[in-house]
Amino acid sequence: TAGITQAPTSQILAAGRSMTLRCTQDMRHNAMYWYRQDLGLGLRLIHYSNTAGTTGKGEVPDGYSVSRANTDDFPLTLASAVPSQTSVYFCASSAGPLTDTQYFGPGTRLTVL
Amino acid sequence: LAKTTQPISMDSYEGQEVNITCSHNNIATNDYITWYQQFPSQGPRFIIQGYKTKVTNEVASLFIPADRKSSTLSLPRVSLSDTAVYYCLVGDGNDYKLSFGAGTTVTVRA
Repeated sequence: TAGITQAPTSQILAAGRSMTLRCTQDMRHNAMYWYRQDLGLGLRLIHYSNTAGTTGKGEVPDGYSVSRANTDDFPLTLASAVPSQTSVYFCASSAGPLTDTQYFGPGTRLTVL
Repeated sequence: LAKTTQPISMDSYEGQEVNITCSHNNIATNDYITWYQQFPSQGPRFIIQGYKTKVTNEVASLFIPADRKSSTLSLPRVSLSDTAVYYCLVGDGNDYKLSFGAGTTVTVRA
């Protein structure tokens, strides 16, 4: 079982360009999440989805958008990237909310210049 | 969501027991306590979860006192491979907005 896959592994992006980070899970989990991780700040939730067709804002949603057209996919889009969005992005999924284990993908390292 | 406080870093040596205490003074009745581990260049992974008293699995033990205002993750006989960041989370079955915070960086030395 693949679990959660993310693409690309890493990317260098010019400021002002758009980018979609892809996330796919094969565990049929209801909930999916996007986090960013910056040195010294730990993991911060960007957006989440507790079931297909619904999304919600996390702690740092500005500059990002998500969609959840089906159970398996949860893409994260940066419409116009800025250097402060340079980070490592992790996608995760869980069967349900906090009391269910979250499974994380390998991460995408994004550099915005 | 209950706010958590944990030490920024801890150092240990191989074979020792490491205890990381997390404070969560405003924990709610329905909240569970969950710990994750993150190795460099990887996403976090679940270690253990508990509600009260003591929980033990093949990786760690979780001690929760009666007032539940804190919890202690215990890693027995650590090895170099236990060097990682450990996160404490508190929330209930209705929580999706989780905050992992900065966690505790545990460094195990030979």
